[in-house]
Amino acid sequence: ETGVTQTPRHLVMGMTNKKSLKCEQHLGHNAMYWYKQSAKKPLELMFVYSLEERVENNSVPSRFSPECPNSSHLFLHLHTLQPEDSALYLCASSQEGGVGGYTFGSGTRLTVV
Amino acid sequence: GENVEQHPSTLSVQEGDSAVIKCTYSDSASNYFPWYKQELGKGPQLIIDIRSNVGEKKDQRIAVTLNKTAKHFSLHITETQPEDSAVYFCAATIGGAAGNKLTFGGGTRVLVKP
Repeated sequence: ETGVTQTPRHLVMGMTNKKSLKCEQHLGHNAMYWYKQSAKKPLELMFVYSLEERVENNSVPSRFSPECPNSSHLFLHLHTLQPEDSALYLCASSQEGGVGGYTFGSGTRLTVV
Repeated sequence: GENVEQHPSTLSVQEGDSAVIKCTYSDSASNYFPWYKQELGKGPQLIIDIRSNVGEKKDQRIAVTLNKTAKHFSLHITETQPEDSAVYFCAATIGGAAGNKLTFGGGTRVLVKP
């Protein structure tokens, strides 16, 4: 374990379903991120939360809705997804204002059918 | 914004040989350059990093070099072993910036043949 835990590890959902991905970090970090990893774009930044405020929304469709209730938890709410949204969704955390890299979770493998 | 290019996209080496992955970046203000290794079924893990006030850093069989003038940095793996097979990502950022947003290269799939 890296200190960043993502659940579930695998998720299959229909295009009309609503589901949520969860990320939890135990590192005392105060910045959290969602990345999408697919064959076409290996590491595509989706959202950045710093000190629980969203500081970046990288032109992500509204069918993806992030939520950061506190500095340790990050959610990605999903609804009416498309098959092309199938990918590995990675959560990461870091220390705001520090000079350091990210700690990634193991990801959620999402398949939209 | 920052743009990071990474080459090659795939690299096959014989066990015991060296592997070199190269990255270039566009923003001269970037000052922190981490490297990540991603094994199958796992998220990327930090393996080594370098800051702009250092030209080279080494940790056992891996080393990273940085040329600020040319805006490129490289990862060197010596005496490669099968467990080095993975996807490697370089990244760049301005340390201390809001959100510490990392810009990643496209990744290099390394295969070490026994």
